[in-house]
Amino acid sequence: GAVVSQHPSWVICKSGTSVKIECRSLDFQATTMFWYRQFPKQSLMLMATSNEGSKATYEQGVEKDKFLINHASLTLSTLTVTSAHPEDSSFYICSVRQGLGYTFGSGTRLTVV
Amino acid sequence: AQKITQTQPGMFVQEKEAVTLDCTYDTSDQSYGLFWYKQPSSGEMIFLIYQGSYDEQNATEGRYSLNFQKARKSANLVISASQLGDSAMYFCAMRELGAGNNRKLIWGLGTSLAVNP
Repeated sequence: GAVVSQHPSWVICKSGTSVKIECRSLDFQATTMFWYRQFPKQSLMLMATSNEGSKATYEQGVEKDKFLINHASLTLSTLTVTSAHPEDSSFYICSVRQGLGYTFGSGTRLTVV
Repeated sequence: AQKITQTQPGMFVQEKEAVTLDCTYDTSDQSYGLFWYKQPSSGEMIFLIYQGSYDEQNATEGRYSLNFQKARKSANLVISASQLGDSAMYFCAMRELGAGNNRKLIWGLGTSLAVNP
């Protein structure tokens, strides 16, 4: 299956700053990537579907101006959490669909202080 | 609407024994795919096994097998010979209806498995 690299694996930032998370498909041209958010002991919540060369499709209730997604190439999608606040602290994880399967990055644990 | 139900928030199993994690699903589509993922405390999502709705045989991958009962809309994961490293969260998921690359996964709430030595 596809190999997906996600960076950083963890980040601590000050309230009000922005944080960028990268998701790279190392061996597969990913036209579509998915971004999830996960709170402790809960399931994955899909935030948006990222399509190469076009605007991301956000799920209901997800602020697109808060969570900026850029999918400028077939191997890279980025999620930027703008003006982060403590309530944005969470685990963020990306996924690539290849054929019938889905491969995930290793996730990013964001802590906003 | 499509839905995945995992009714076991937590499960315990003795090392070397088998354990079944339950998953039921709801869909009106005839063609769908079911997945199981493992999430250890590190957070990564590890693909375990896949079952297509038209697959006549139950999927197996090493110690993992999927007990697929289409009429009952259940896709239970069976882990044989449990190991301490199997302690993790387990999620059942179903591929959304529709065509193309944007087909999303519908997730269950997960089951936390603890393997006792």
